[in-house]
Amino acid sequence: EVQLVESGGGLVQPGGSLRLSCAASGFTFSGYWMNWVRQTPGKGLEWVANINQYGSEINYADSVRGRFTISRDNAKNSVYLQTNSLRAEDTAVYYCARGGVLHAFDIWGQGTMVTVSS
Amino acid sequence: QSALTQPASVSGSPGQSITISCTGTSSDVGGYNYVSWYQQHPGKAPKLMLYEVNSRPSGVSNRFSGSKSGNTASLTISGLQAEDEADYYCSSYRSSSTPYVFGTGTKVTVL
Repeated sequence: EVQLVESGGGLVQPGGSLRLSCAASGFTFSGYWMNWVRQTPGKGLEWVANINQYGSEINYADSVRGRFTISRDNAKNSVYLQTNSLRAEDTAVYYCARGGVLHAFDIWGQGTMVTVSS
Repeated sequence: QSALTQPASVSGSPGQSITISCTGTSSDVGGYNYVSWYQQHPGKAPKLMLYEVNSRPSGVSNRFSGSKSGNTASLTISGLQAEDEADYYCSSYRSSSTPYVFGTGTKVTVL
């Protein structure tokens, strides 16, 4: 079964850090771009970052550039999102999503909740 | 990065057809055929319903179809069913330092 499972979310104080992980299974992980997408409570989706198959091409949303870092380990079939200098507005469910054909996100994880609050 | 504009809500009776619009700019929706649509039920992850404007992934009902004209893409659900009640989001690739943008989301209610 093709699957993505996120972990690492939690409650953190403003200015703090969290490392989110996404474990992939059921497909050739090293053959795909991987993305992080977030959803603020009761609101819409926001694309956060992506990384190519080799880790050599990376893109970020303006809202997180300089604070978040995406990385991957193809040997462990995993993609990561290091989130630093967290703000209240970063509070969201963070989804890992596979970059499928033609710029669509074809497989999604169940999400991990990040709450930034004092 | 401005989100694509969708109506907040659309409703219809079982068996009817509804259409959800997704309006962007010439830098995203109007410039590329890389528009995709996602269905999200409460408490669940989004699910890809259409990609490349009007292509359906395996397993998605042919009641879902898409189109695009200028800077506006549309999702049509035909033969509306109770299970179609969900939130729907469009997304587009864009020529920007932020390569993807989502729509504001539309809540579909089956009356």
